[in-house]
Amino acid sequence: DQQVKQNSPSLSVQEGRISILNCDYTNSMFDYFLWYKKYPAEGPTFLISISSIKDKNEDGRFTVFLNKSAKHLSLHIVPSQPGDSAVYFCAASAIINDMRFGAGTRLTVKP
Amino acid sequence: NAGVMQNPRHLVRRRGQEARLRCSPMKGHSHVYWYRQLPEEGLKFMVYLQKENIIDESGMPKERFSAEFPKEGPSILRIQQVVRGDSAAYFCASSPQFSGANVLTFGAGSRLTVL
Repeated sequence: DQQVKQNSPSLSVQEGRISILNCDYTNSMFDYFLWYKKYPAEGPTFLISISSIKDKNEDGRFTVFLNKSAKHLSLHIVPSQPGDSAVYFCAASAIINDMRFGAGTRLTVKP
Repeated sequence: NAGVMQNPRHLVRRRGQEARLRCSPMKGHSHVYWYRQLPEEGLKFMVYLQKENIIDESGMPKERFSAEFPKEGPSILRIQQVVRGDSAAYFCASSPQFSGANVLTFGAGSRLTVL
């Protein structure tokens, strides 16, 4: 069951520009959303999160936006850097549920 | 302050053999999760365990796969009679408690190759 969907398998942007990664979910019970970043041969590492009581959370170059009515969230990276090149996973969880991940989006930032 | 430790990092098995993957959660974490990543795919939830209890195994294949998290020692994901389709990276994650607001800490993964 694909409760969390990342419809873009890949994204390529120029260094210095904005990267926007999108994620949709279907389970209205989800109340906590996270983004993880994964480099090859490593485990995913936590990047940023947002609670359902907020619509925006910012941490340096990274901002996550949540649109509950549309069941959509996005991660903005600005300015993008070559070191940001990785696979980004969107994840969602609920009080009584486990964390579910999207299929990931491979971001490539070109110098 | 070791993170989530998984071993082996790489495991090669022939079809029909058994694979055992181990996961030691972070110190103080009592919840363990196993995820599988097939080639070119995302992370798929398999099972969620607390000490001596399986909380949710809805993502586990019905046959050949089992998981445990004993009172002492690491969590173990066991795959019996492996087939080529079991080749994947298996990630373990842990958390101190589950409230929906916890961040999972992942291990580096165990890559299983079935010949």
